[in-house]
This record gives sequence, structure tokens and C-alpha cells, in this order.
Amino acid sequence: DGGITQSPKYLFRKEGQNVTLSCEQNLNHDAMYWYRQDPGQGLRLIYYSQIVNDFQKGDIAEGYSVSREKKESFPLTVTSAQKNPTAFYLCASRSQEVSYEQYFGPGTRLTVT
Amino acid sequence: GIQVEQSPPDLILQEGANSTLRCNFSDSVNNLQWFHQNPWGQLINLFYIPSGTKQNGRLSATTVATERYSLLYISSSQTTDSGVYFCAVVSAGGTSYGKLTFGQGTILTVHP
Repeated sequence: DGGITQSPKYLFRKEGQNVTLSCEQNLNHDAMYWYRQDPGQGLRLIYYSQIVNDFQKGDIAEGYSVSREKKESFPLTVTSAQKNPTAFYLCASRSQEVSYEQYFGPGTRLTVT
Repeated sequence: GIQVEQSPPDLILQEGANSTLRCNFSDSVNNLQWFHQNPWGQLINLFYIPSGTKQNGRLSATTVATERYSLLYISSSQTTDSGVYFCAVVSAGGTSYGKLTFGQGTILTVHP
């Protein structure tokens, strides 16, 4: 099946710990994105990558880091510097050549206590 | 940056009713997408519609780009239509790098 997978579905961490969220796609898409959703809100962009080994900060990048070593993978690390990390995290991708349409993974719910 | 406003914020329907959701945006767009977020949080693509009209079963959408709004129509609503509907756009101005800007969503509840 073609699509975007995110793991784990639920993640619990203690304050002060870094945590890495996985995002993998087999759609052969060049561009990948990480968004954050807080309760009752729309999504906000954390980081994006348009090509392997290149990524850029989005609107709320502070306290997060990413890497893009492979076209298929775009992991997000939530660091201890992120002041309010508890949220729902969604990964997305799109083909740069076809259209601007983005497709989303199922998301990871992170709870930090 | 571009602003996206959705209305109404909440909508309660009886099964079988029709509804219209609206999305206003403040600037020209390269992309406009409608999503349904299900109870598990998954964002389901409904329409990719930067302009024109599309239909998919009981759902249809129209975007009038020159007037900067889009409408999502749901006919003969079912309880499974319940959830949050988001409109999201990619601004045509500047270097938007394909970033989607989301509205606040419309929470739809369909009662049997």
C-alpha cells in the first residue's frame, strides 16, 4: 500500500527527555512536512524539507529538530527545549512535480508529564 | 501571512439534512484543500480545489478564487460525516514552499 506511516501512535515521556517521532512515505514524494495540532486548533508548520539533505524551519520550529537523510524518511525530534511539547503531530508529503496537494499520515499523540 | 477563516465554527444536523461550510481566505492561493478529521485524528483528503467545482458522491466543493472563498456542500448527511472539517490553503505570494495554512475548522455533529 502506498502511503505515509507514523510511529508510534501514542508516546509518553517525562519532562526533560528528548523524543523522536518517525515519518516514512513510499509515495516517492520529494517534499515532506511536520505539523503540530493543539486541541481545538488547526495545524501549524514546524519544519519542512523539499529535497534530501535540506530542510527549513516553519512557523514554530523552536525546540524541534529534523533530519532528511533519505527521501522516504523525515524524523522529528522534540527536544527538552520545547516548552509545551504535549500535542498531536502530523507528517505530510507532496509531489513537487504534480501539484500542491498534500497527504497526511495518521499522526502521533505525544504526552509529556 | 495569509488568513483563513471558516464558518460556522459548529454545526449540528439531523441525519439526512444538507449543509454548507464556508472558507474565506485573504490572498491568492496555489492550493486549497478540504479535509475531514476523523475521531482518531486522521486527516482525510476530501478535495484539492484551488478553483472550480468538484463532486465526490454526497460531497461537492466550489472555489471562487477571484472572490477568495470556497464552499463545501454535504448532502444527505450521515452520522459518519461527524468530525472536524478543515480548509487549508497555500499562498501564491512569496516563498510559501507549499506550506498549508489551516483554518480553525468546523465541528460537524450529525445525530441519527
